[in-house]
Amino acid sequence: SQQGEEDPQALSIQEGENATMNCSYKTSINNLQWYRQNSGRGLVHLILIRSNEREKHSGRLRVTLDTSKKSSSLLITASRAADTASYFCATDAKAQKLVFGQGTRLTINP
Amino acid sequence: DGGITQSPKYLFRKEGQNVTLSCEQNLNHDAMYWYRQDPGQGLRLIYYSQIVNDFQKGDIAEGYSVSREKKESFPLTVTSAQKNPTAFYLCASTTSGGAIETQYFGPGTRLLVL
Repeated sequence: SQQGEEDPQALSIQEGENATMNCSYKTSINNLQWYRQNSGRGLVHLILIRSNEREKHSGRLRVTLDTSKKSSSLLITASRAADTASYFCATDAKAQKLVFGQGTRLTINP
Repeated sequence: DGGITQSPKYLFRKEGQNVTLSCEQNLNHDAMYWYRQDPGQGLRLIYYSQIVNDFQKGDIAEGYSVSREKKESFPLTVTSAQKNPTAFYLCASTTSGGAIETQYFGPGTRLLVL
């Protein structure tokens, strides 16, 4: 089974609204990462949060990590059409390997 | 430009044929990875290599083979034993070490069966 489970599987919002995606995992981790994938392209790294961090910001992105609940959330503020993509969380629960979730498909409507 | 390149962008395989997907990086990364992605799904690890001349099986290695003769290159061969090869294949690399840091991905190769 997947280590990371994203929720929701799909999300559709209006441009300018905020988008929140969640990720849950099963075992202890050193860090958790979020990636974006535009349709038919490779993944692009967005942000890495370590197990001793609770919150991290990068531009319009805010990531939180709750190790007691084994969950993370990615918030994209003031969404834009260019944010339309799939978003994946990845954990390093297995040594030297990342385990990816199934992803959240985000659609930003103009 | 530093980065990872994959070729070809599209690849067609005939029944019983082996095909090889290319992955090259100039980031001076030690570790390289191959993933398979099926439509609407996440990534599944096929093989990975942390150092030249060494590689390990991932979660779905059956029907695939790799080599790591040079630091920059990590080609993946999809053999005839892989009965359902149609998928999007992604190569990635990262600096080696303890915890996994950021992985850098190539643009992918889409493999289709004729």
